[in-house]
Amino acid sequence: NAGVTQTPKFQVLKTGQSMTLQCAQDMNHNSMYWYRQDPGMGLRLIYYSASEGTTDKGEVPNGYNVSRLNKREFSLRLESAAPSQTSVYFCASSEGAGTNEQYFGPGTRLTVT
Amino acid sequence: AQSVSQHNHHVILSEAASLELGCNYSYGGTVNLFWYVQYPGQHLQLLLKYFSGDPLVKGIKGFEAEFIKSKFSFNLRKPSVQWSDTAEYFCAVKKNYGQNFVFGPGTRLSVLP
Repeated sequence: NAGVTQTPKFQVLKTGQSMTLQCAQDMNHNSMYWYRQDPGMGLRLIYYSASEGTTDKGEVPNGYNVSRLNKREFSLRLESAAPSQTSVYFCASSEGAGTNEQYFGPGTRLTVT
Repeated sequence: AQSVSQHNHHVILSEAASLELGCNYSYGGTVNLFWYVQYPGQHLQLLLKYFSGDPLVKGIKGFEAEFIKSKFSFNLRKPSVQWSDTAEYFCAVKKNYGQNFVFGPGTRLSVLP
C-alpha cells in the first residue's frame, strides 16, 4: 500500500495563478481531509469529505475549493493564489467518523510570490 | 470554539533526559485524543491515541500519554529521550461525533547528543 500520496511535492506560483493539488489514498477510506500547516499554528483544516460525494468547509476554507472525484481522490484547488496561501499542504484520510485516526500524505510545499 | 493548546513551543533536552509535553483542550464533551509526530522533512505519523478505558495509553517508541479528564489534559511522556526523537509533536482532539480534528500548534523537541 502506498497509503496517502500527494502531487506535486513543491510548487511556486505567482499571485493570481491557479493550480490544483492532487491527493489519493489506497486504503479504501471513506473520509479525506485537506490541511495547511503554518509555523506556530499547527494544522488547520481547510475542507474535508466525510464520504464520496460530500464535502464540507473546515476552519479556513476561503480561497480554496475541493472536489471528491471518487472514493480514492480528493483534490484542492486554488483559483487565484495569494501570498497568504504560502504554506505546506497536507492531505489525510481516515476510515470514517468515530474514533479513527488520520493517515497523512507527505505534503506539498507551496510558495506564492 | 474548541481549541487545543500545547504549553511549550520549543523544548531542548539532552539524551537520556525525561520528557513531558503538555496538551490541554477546551471541549467539555466526550473526546478522542491523539499525539502525532513529524520528523524533519516527513509527514505526520500517529504516536498514540486515547478513545476510552485506561487513561494511561502507551504508544510507539516508548512514548506514553495520560488523559486527565478533570484537567482537560493529555500530556505526552517518555522516560529517556534519544537523539532520534528530535521532531515536532502535535496534540489533536476529535469530538466523539463528527469529522473535525483540531490540532494544537505543535511543540518542537530538540534532543542534543
